[in-house]
Amino acid sequence: DAKTTQPPSMDCAEGRAANLPCNHSTISGNEYVYWYRQIHSQGPQYIIHGLKNNETNEMASLIITEDRKSSTLILPHATLRDTAVYYCIVSVRDTGNQFYFGTGTSLTVIP
Amino acid sequence: SAVISQKPSRDICQRGTSLTIQCQVDSQVTMMFWYRQQPGQSLTLIATANQGSEATYESGFVIDKFPISRPNLTFSTLTVSNMSPEDSSIYLCSVSHSSLREQYFGPGTRLTVT
Repeated sequence: DAKTTQPPSMDCAEGRAANLPCNHSTISGNEYVYWYRQIHSQGPQYIIHGLKNNETNEMASLIITEDRKSSTLILPHATLRDTAVYYCIVSVRDTGNQFYFGTGTSLTVIP
Repeated sequence: SAVISQKPSRDICQRGTSLTIQCQVDSQVTMMFWYRQQPGQSLTLIATANQGSEATYESGFVIDKFPISRPNLTFSTLTVSNMSPEDSSIYLCSVSHSSLREQYFGPGTRLTVT
C-alpha cells in the first residue's frame, strides 16, 4: 500500500516556482523518497530521489525535513510542459525496489 | 538510464481472449516489474518478474490471470488471460539496476476489452 499523502491538485503560474508537498509520516529509516511525473498517460518519468539530505538535479530540487516525515519537490521555473501528475513514493531499495503509487498531485501550470 | 519498448502499444480485444504484452530493454537489468493503470487511476504494481523463476505477485493478482515470463535479463512478457472489460487499462513495465535506485518505465500498452 502507498505510504504517502499528496494534495490532489495544484496550480502554478508559468515561470514561478512550483512547490509540491508530500507527507510520509510512517517512513522507515532505510526508505528513500522518490518523485516521478506522468504526462498524458505516458510512462512515468523519474525526477529525483533522496534519503535524508536535500538533493538537486537539472530538473528539480528535493527538500526532505529533518524528521523525514515530509518532503517538497521544487520545480524552480515552471513551464507549460511541467503540467503533469506528480507522484511521491517511498521505497526500500534493498528489497527489490517495489513502488507503491499513491494518488499523486495533478499540477497545472497556467500561462 | 534504460530505453524500454513495449509491444503492442495498444490493442482492442474481445472478451474471453488473451493478450501477451512484451517488454524489451536495451541493456541488462536486475529487476523488472509490471504495473496496471486503470482509467483515471494511479499505477498499481502487479508483480515482480524474476529471471529464471516464477514471478512474485502482489495481493489481488494471480498467476492464472496474469502469467509472466522473464527468460533473460532484457526481456519479459505479461499475459492478460480470459479478458473482461474490467481489464481495460494501461499496462506498463519498469526496470531497475542493482547499482541504481531509480526505476525506468516503458511507454505502456493501452488495452481496451470489448
